[in-house]
Amino acid sequence: AQSVAQPEDQVNVAEGNPLTVKCTYSVSGNPYLFWYVQYPNRGLQFLLKYITGDNLVKGSYGFEAEFNKSQTSFHLKKPSALVSDSALYFCAVRAGSGNTGKLIFGQGTTLQVKP
Amino acid sequence: GAGVSQSPRYKVAKRGQDVALRCDPISGHVSLFWYQQALGQGPEFLTYFQNEAQLDKSGLPSDRFFAERPEGSVSTLKIQRTQQEDSAVYLCASSLTGALQNNSPLHFGNGTRLTVT
Repeated sequence: AQSVAQPEDQVNVAEGNPLTVKCTYSVSGNPYLFWYVQYPNRGLQFLLKYITGDNLVKGSYGFEAEFNKSQTSFHLKKPSALVSDSALYFCAVRAGSGNTGKLIFGQGTTLQVKP
Repeated sequence: GAGVSQSPRYKVAKRGQDVALRCDPISGHVSLFWYQQALGQGPEFLTYFQNEAQLDKSGLPSDRFFAERPEGSVSTLKIQRTQQEDSAVYLCASSLTGALQNNSPLHFGNGTRLTVT
């Protein structure tokens, strides 16, 4: 069965410092991986995805993520955090072709960026 | 509209009541998903529509949950005889393409927060 793990409930970082939000996955077949962000009382917003190709994926708002097949990881990164990046971040996985495209989400990681 | 619209934004129901939650996806989007998000948790898949066809309802927790999308656009999630454990945020999401091509991102609505008392 497909699954996603986000081992940190919360990540704290000072504004201007680099940030990393961790994600590991377990799928059968090729993984399609996604990151979404959720602000309070809002739906999820798409940040970036990995389907195939370059292991470093660039997305919205300066975020990027690195796909590592040997470590089955897809960590979200940003070189310089902003206070406005504070939100709830979800990693998600979709298995390969033949299914309905539903995403399996992790439990979420709260990112707190302090000024 | 510009995005996925869900109504009502908040719903309080007494245990045993029936509720209906509405989702207006982005115009022209083929795929529509319903997710349930409990407090402090990630969204959990409920059901999937491709146009008007419900292709996957494996996530519906019980036969009290029913979803439809009769004309391939607006969708309704109905919960009969609500229980306290149904309290959650119900998220609707749509995407442009159908199942087999579905690596296009999901566009989420702001959700309906259901509280069962």
